[in-house]
Formats: sequence, structure tokens, C-alpha cells
Amino acid sequence: RKEVEQDPGPFNVPEGATVAFNCTYSNSASQSFFWYRQDCRKEPKLLMSVYSSGNEDGRFTAQLNRASQYISLLIRDSKLSDSATYLCVVNHGDYKLSFGAGTTVTVRA
Amino acid sequence: GAVVSQHPSRVICKSGTSVKIECRSLDFQATTMFWYRQFPKQSLMLMATSNEGSKATYEQGVEKDKFLINHASLTLSTLTVTSAHPEDSSFYICSARPLVAGHSYEQYFGPGTRLTVT
Repeated sequence: RKEVEQDPGPFNVPEGATVAFNCTYSNSASQSFFWYRQDCRKEPKLLMSVYSSGNEDGRFTAQLNRASQYISLLIRDSKLSDSATYLCVVNHGDYKLSFGAGTTVTVRA
Repeated sequence: GAVVSQHPSRVICKSGTSVKIECRSLDFQATTMFWYRQFPKQSLMLMATSNEGSKATYEQGVEKDKFLINHASLTLSTLTVTSAHPEDSSFYICSARPLVAGHSYEQYFGPGTRLTVT
């Protein structure tokens, strides 16, 4: 079983729509959680950390469910520039990051 | 702040040759740098963890004699792919963890190096 699993998508949504997707992780001892964004053929960029109480950053909302071992990302009022692959990233406390394969989001005009 | 550079951004080499990739943290010191490899439509796979002044720690299945890592300073780590083969063609990305007090699991990524072995 992979350490971090994501629905690959793609999620094709119109501008202004809300899109949400989850990721599951297998290691119950995981300590830190992140969403990264990766554009085609570029490096990943940190979108946001995910906190236990859930957190929001503008149009992006992240939730963590430790009991069920999943993390979610919700994007409100989608923009064309939100088109990217979103990587779910988990840390087990040893400073090494485990990456999901990514969820592709395409926002259309 | 927190900028990581990689050089070269793209390299094409012939089978059997060696290629060196540099990773630099430009505006911070990094205790630890990480080297990843990403194949098309796949996730980043950690290859090795590099600590300044000590030997790198390789992940299972990664040949340390083929992928030589040197971390000579707090701002520079190099990855040398020796005797490259076409199956080594991939996107190689480094990341750096800032030298900060307390726990910080954030890493900052370089722009990646696309290696093509012909």
C-alpha cells in the first residue's frame, strides 16, 4: 500500500466553481501535513500546511481527519490560474516528506 | 526568501558519461538537503538525504555508488549521476530544509533538472 494516496483526477471545473478532493495516508504516526502545488514540468511549491483544527488561506481550505487518516483540500471560486497538480505531502517526524502522486485540476473558462 | 537554485536546468548526455547537478540555497543555510526523482505522471520519490559534512543517507533501492552526493557546505549539495543510462532519464529535484531552531518540516524546492540520457 502506498504511504500517500490521491485520486489522480482530472477534475475539470468551470471558473467560479468549488472543487474538493482528498488524500489518505497510511502511517498513523504521521505528524505534519501539507498541500503542494506543481505546475507542469516545474518544481512543487508549498500551497499550505494543514493543521489539526483545519485552516483557510484565501480561497483554499484544508482539513485533517486523523481518525480516518485523510486530508482534504477545497478550492472556492476557482480561477484559471488554479489549474495545476495538487500534491498531498505527509511527514512522519523524521524530516522526510512522502508525496502523493497528485490530483490534477483543470479550470476552464 | 527561501530560494533554492539548481544547475543545470536541463542536460542531455550520452550513455556511459557522468553528470553533476548542483543544488544551492541562495538566501538561507540548510542543514539538510534532499534529492528526489520524478518520472512522468508519478510522485516525487526521495532518493537520498544529505547532511552537511557527513555521508548521505540513501533510500532503499537507490545505488549510492551510482548517485554520488556531496554536501560540502550549508548552501551547496551536488548529485552526480555516474555512468548514466537511458533509464536514468528523469526530473531530478532537490530541496532544502532551513537551519532553524525547533521543528520545521517545511522544505523549499529547487526548479529541478531534466536529465535525458541518449
